[in-house]
Amino acid sequence: DGGITQSPKYLFRKEGQNVTLSCEQNLNHDAMYWYRQDPGQGLRLIYYSQIVNDFQKGDIAEGYSVSREKKESFPLTVTSAQKNPTAFYLCASSPGGRSLYEQYFGPGTRLTVT
Amino acid sequence: LAKTTQPISMDSYEGQEVNITCSHNNIATNDYITWYQQFPSQGPRFIIQGYKTKVTNEVASLFIPADRKSSTLSLPRVSLSDTAVYYCLVGEGGKSTFGDGTTLTVKP
Repeated sequence: DGGITQSPKYLFRKEGQNVTLSCEQNLNHDAMYWYRQDPGQGLRLIYYSQIVNDFQKGDIAEGYSVSREKKESFPLTVTSAQKNPTAFYLCASSPGGRSLYEQYFGPGTRLTVT
Repeated sequence: LAKTTQPISMDSYEGQEVNITCSHNNIATNDYITWYQQFPSQGPRFIIQGYKTKVTNEVASLFIPADRKSSTLSLPRVSLSDTAVYYCLVGEGGKSTFGDGTTLTVKP
């Protein structure tokens, strides 16, 4: 089956620890995205990558870091600098970065930091 | 950057047609308009996309006027399972924003 996988589904961490969220796609898509969603709110873009070894900050990149060493993988690290890391994190991919292409979303990772 | 504005919530009854309008006054010439559906604790799912006039698929229709400053998602004969949040998205890749969406509640 082609698609996007995110793991784990639920993640718990202590405050002050860095944590890395996994996102893998086997759709051969060039572009990948990370979004954050807080309760009752829409999706906010954290980082996006349109090609391997290149990525750009989205609207709320502070406290987060990413890498894009392989086309199929786009891991997100939530650092201890992120003041309110508890949220629902969604990864997406698309064939290209233009609005012509729909985004395919993974099932999400719910991160809780205490 | 094309910002979108949608109603926060809408109510409907089973079997009715529902129209959700999205305003995007700053849409760029190359931008497409895409609508997504999201259920709680899931990733959004693509519904329909268009550039101008009317687009129809098996689940919805999308109406876009000539000036493209707004778009209307039309869901025919909704059912309880259509209760979800609906987002319109305009813009290119990382320059697009989802906004807060419209929460549609379908009642029996």
